[in-house]
Amino acid sequence: AQTVTQSQPEMSVQEAETVTLSCTYDTSESNYYLFWYKQPPSRQMILVIRQEAYKQQNATENRFSVNFQKAAKSFSLKISDSQLGDTAMYFCAFMKHPYNTDKLIFGTGTRLQVFP
Amino acid sequence: DVKVTQSSRYLVKRTGEKVFLECVQDMDHENMFWYRQDPGLGLRLIYFSYDVKMKEKGDIPEGYSVSREKKERFSLILESASTNQTSMYLCASDSPGEEQYFGPGTRLTVT
Repeated sequence: AQTVTQSQPEMSVQEAETVTLSCTYDTSESNYYLFWYKQPPSRQMILVIRQEAYKQQNATENRFSVNFQKAAKSFSLKISDSQLGDTAMYFCAFMKHPYNTDKLIFGTGTRLQVFP
Repeated sequence: DVKVTQSSRYLVKRTGEKVFLECVQDMDHENMFWYRQDPGLGLRLIYFSYDVKMKEKGDIPEGYSVSREKKERFSLILESASTNQTSMYLCASDSPGEEQYFGPGTRLTVT
């Protein structure tokens, strides 16, 4: 069975600084997808970034980028130039491919606080 | 914009009551999901549905049932609510291989 581990329950960063959130996973699959989701306080969960395991290049979305290390089964999220609006719970998630009814397996989350 | 809506943001029920949580999506998604979110445990899948009238158990189905009579609507049912079902419930939907969209959540308190 697949598992996703986020070892940092809480983190904080000053505005404009860079922060990295850690995620490791365990799977015997060779092809899969990894995701980072953001859940702002009292707001809906939204997708931040997605990585396909067969792609060597790390995914990037504006200030958000990942460091995907397939051999180490590591998938960290880097937030550059942190903004107050980045304050949220961040969840790392795994999905098998080919799509098996799109079941996501989530980590326990990291609460990120951005300070002015 | 994709919209996933849930019938209530906050709900308070008594032990033993039958509880219905409703979820509606407006993007013609095939798949719909119910998750439970608890501090320190992340999101755990309760049930999902990949088609009308089809359902499959997730990781924690005990004490819950679901209904999907129409493609856009997926209901979570607590037949006899218990205090250990106090939690945040999140509904989600997607088309196969696409981004999963989440509703705003229902915070259920069972007293």
